[in-house]
Amino acid sequence: QKEVEQDPGPLSVPEGAIVSLNCTYSNSAFQYFMWYRQYSRKGPELLMYTYSSGNKEDGRFTAQVDKSSKYISLFIRDSQPSDSATYLCAMKAAGNKLTFGGGTRVLVKP
Amino acid sequence: DAGVIQSPRHEVTEMGQEVTLRCKPISGHDYLFWYRQTMMRGLELLIYFNNNVPIDDSGMPEDRFSAKMPNASFSTLKIQPSEPRDSAVYFCASGGGDRGRWSYNEQFFGPGTRLTVL
Repeated sequence: QKEVEQDPGPLSVPEGAIVSLNCTYSNSAFQYFMWYRQYSRKGPELLMYTYSSGNKEDGRFTAQVDKSSKYISLFIRDSQPSDSATYLCAMKAAGNKLTFGGGTRVLVKP
Repeated sequence: DAGVIQSPRHEVTEMGQEVTLRCKPISGHDYLFWYRQTMMRGLELLIYFNNNVPIDDSGMPEDRFSAKMPNASFSTLKIQPSEPRDSAVYFCASGGGDRGRWSYNEQFFGPGTRLTVL
């Protein structure tokens, strides 16, 4: 079993809908949680990050962490075609190694 | 800032040949990471450096893989001899530096090198 599980999708939604993404993990030592966005044939770029449990909002994006359930989520409100990409969750413990989920491919249809 | 620079962007080679991938990190970053991405295995960390010193190479799949960082602005990942199963996209990322608490949690990725071994 992988340390970080993420549904590969694809997840197809109409423009303006809410996109809901999530990851589960097994390592209770993880305390930093991140979401990266990767456009086709590009490198991943950091979208949001949170420390420990709780919510964080940045514009149309909301990240949630529930450490008790080992579950993290990313919500994208008012989705746009430009949000079409692969979204990777990533997490780390106290060191410097990031462990990535496999990524969820999202397609926002105009 | 030009971001992380990788070369070549595409490499096609034949099995048994030596392959060298190059990376120039963002100036001021003191961490450098090499990743490999495939459909089957996702994004995997191969090795990372801090201040040009290899810290963790536990992700390097075999002795055929080696990485060096001779100075703060240059790193190489070498595969010798290459095999078809090495076909993947290889990413270099950098991070850290004196940019505050979260600087060591954010990694900036290059555009990747798409390697095909025939």
